Amino acid sequence: EVQLLESEGGLVQPGGSLRLSCAASGFTFSHYAMSWVRQAPGKGLEWVSTVSAGDSSTYYADSVKGRFTISRDNSKSTLYLQMNSLRAEDTAVYYCAKGNGDYSYYYHMDVWGQGTTVTVSS
Amino acid sequence: SYVLTQPPSVSVAPGKTARITCGKNNIESQSVHWYQQKPGQAPVLVINYDSDRPSGIPERFSGSNSGNTATLTISRVEAGDEADYYCQVWDSGSDHVVFGGGTKLTVL
Repeated sequence: EVQLLESEGGLVQPGGSLRLSCAASGFTFSHYAMSWVRQAPGKGLEWVSTVSAGDSSTYYADSVKGRFTISRDNSKSTLYLQMNSLRAEDTAVYYCAKGNGDYSYYYHMDVWGQGTTVTVSS
Repeated sequence: SYVLTQPPSVSVAPGKTARITCGKNNIESQSVHWYQQKPGQAPVLVINYDSDRPSGIPERFSGSNSGNTATLTISRVEAGDEADYYCQVWDSGSDHVVFGGGTKLTVL
């Protein structure tokens, strides 16, 4: 069974940092692009970032570019999101999601983690 | 990047057909995917590649994509279909994933 298990989020002060991780199992992790998607309280889904399968190219939403870093460790089947310079507007549930293949025209997310809550507040 | 336009809400009686739209200029040139999200749960993929159903998704769920509008159709709606639904594409111009704003489906 394909599973994605996110690490615990937490409460962070504005300007602070937090690293999320997502442990994958049940599939060949290195073969698939992986994404982070977030959802602010009462709002819709917002794509945050994707790391490709082959050369680990990275892609970011404008709202997080320069502050967040996505990475993957294929030897550990684990996805990461390093979040720096956090702002109140980064408060959201963060979902780890498995892509259907590599990051291209048909890209979508076919398996999602349960989500982890990040709260940015003083 | 651009916006995919969805109606904020759609209401339908049990047993009837619900149609949720996703609009963008020339969306037919893109592959559209749909997710269902129930309260407190993670999203679930219900339609991919415009009209395909992933394994385990009931045949009552179908999709189409033509012109400027993609449509998710749910036939013989059940109370358990009440959820938020999101459309999604991949934008080649920006290499970004784009979601629609979401539609809340209410079963009357």
